[in-house]
Amino acid sequence: GENVEQHPSTLSVQEGDSAVIKCTYSDSASNYFPWYKQELGKRPQLIIDIRSNVGEKKDQRIAVTLNKTAKHFSLHITETQPEDSAVYFCAANSPYAGNKLTFGGGTRVLVKP
Amino acid sequence: DAGVTQSPTHLIKTRGQQVTLRCSPKSGHDTVSWYQQALGQGPQFIFQYYEEEERQRGNFPDRFSGHQFPNYSSELNVNALLLGDSALYLCASSSVERIYGYTFGSGTRLTVV
Repeated sequence: GENVEQHPSTLSVQEGDSAVIKCTYSDSASNYFPWYKQELGKRPQLIIDIRSNVGEKKDQRIAVTLNKTAKHFSLHITETQPEDSAVYFCAANSPYAGNKLTFGGGTRVLVKP
Repeated sequence: DAGVTQSPTHLIKTRGQQVTLRCSPKSGHDTVSWYQQALGQGPQFIFQYYEEEERQRGNFPDRFSGHQFPNYSSELNVNALLLGDSALYLCASSSVERIYGYTFGSGTRLTVV
């Protein structure tokens, strides 16, 4: 089955700097890659996603890149703000896995003011 | 409002007991997936229900079982509770036709003592 690895596990950045989180996946058939943000005690919330027919997607300060050949994808947050502090999870879905997501282990991001 | 409702929000049980968690999916969604999120880890797929049947199952023992009702709501049952079952249990709803609308509930925090 699919295996998703995420790093780093923790990331501390100064407010205004950029943060980058990287994930690798094992199933070359995977074609959908969402990113979730989870604040303490709350539900994971989808912040951006990318499909395998696209190499990059951007939404304001957030961008995701996908390298299908290398089987890795990354989340980029620019001009970080204290409210960006949370745990971020990447995930992958294979069309052969139905509506099942396989998650990475998470990255705890701390934005220092 | 995420549209996915889970109950109860918190639960404390004793080892060996049984527990039932409930989930009402977002309006228009017909598929319910259950995930277990241990502290500091990413969500792990338990199983998924569609048309009142279990479609997929993750690597969880038979002590974990579920049910889906005609109105698409779902229950997760765990028998013979172990200390290691302590976790946040998340329900996610989606439409069988597209994974892209995956929505999580706020979860049930289960503590086994």
